Amino acid sequence: KAGVTQTPRYLIKTRGQQVTLSCSPISGHRSVSWYQQTPGQGLQFLFEYFSETQRNKGNFPGRFSGRQFSNSRSEMNVSTLELGDSALYLCASSQSLAGALIANTGELFFGEGSRLTVL
Amino acid sequence: SQKIEQNSEALNIQEGKTATLTCNYTNYSPAYLQWYRQDPGRGPVFLLLIRENEKEKRKERLKVTFDTTLKQSLFHITASQPADSATYLCALFSYSGAGSYQLTFGKGTKLSVIP
Repeated sequence: KAGVTQTPRYLIKTRGQQVTLSCSPISGHRSVSWYQQTPGQGLQFLFEYFSETQRNKGNFPGRFSGRQFSNSRSEMNVSTLELGDSALYLCASSQSLAGALIANTGELFFGEGSRLTVL
Repeated sequence: SQKIEQNSEALNIQEGKTATLTCNYTNYSPAYLQWYRQDPGRGPVFLLLIRENEKEKRKERLKVTFDTTLKQSLFHITASQPADSATYLCALFSYSGAGSYQLTFGKGTKLSVIP
């Protein structure tokens, strides 16, 4: 079956602009998590959505937001972009919430990421 | 403060040897720990999960140990091959109270297997 699809793969923005990234999870997966990856900080958790509800949130400012649609597709938005927002943004899907290991490994299936450069 | 440390940013090893990667943590009470592999320009790929009450897990040439007393997980690749060259990430899942939880990743160790 098709994997996690993220669009766009690459984008360049300038400071102050906003950006919207999209993630289509694996069919049947209801949980979508977003991560920011930078060389200095590694993978940092942004938020997790399950059945259109935000279930968990990391320590990022309110400029970072997301949503999930009824078909489990998710978008994340970053407003008023700053230079430090340049990063690889990864989306991951799973069958259930991260903590629910019943009959599964809690495996996250990651997309290829959206590489954001802020100038 | 909570911290996850992977032993080194980079590890070079000769082909055929066993690679051992370390993941240490402080101020976590993990319910489980996962290991992922990440190739350049790609998203991480899940390898193994080990629960808090398990000491060891194996999958083909991979072995993971989990010592909650030492607060450490070791990840071994036996008979390493150049194709094993990648960055390996550990991730800890823990409950943070009031029904909340977190899955926290280490910064990774870049493994290079030299032919």
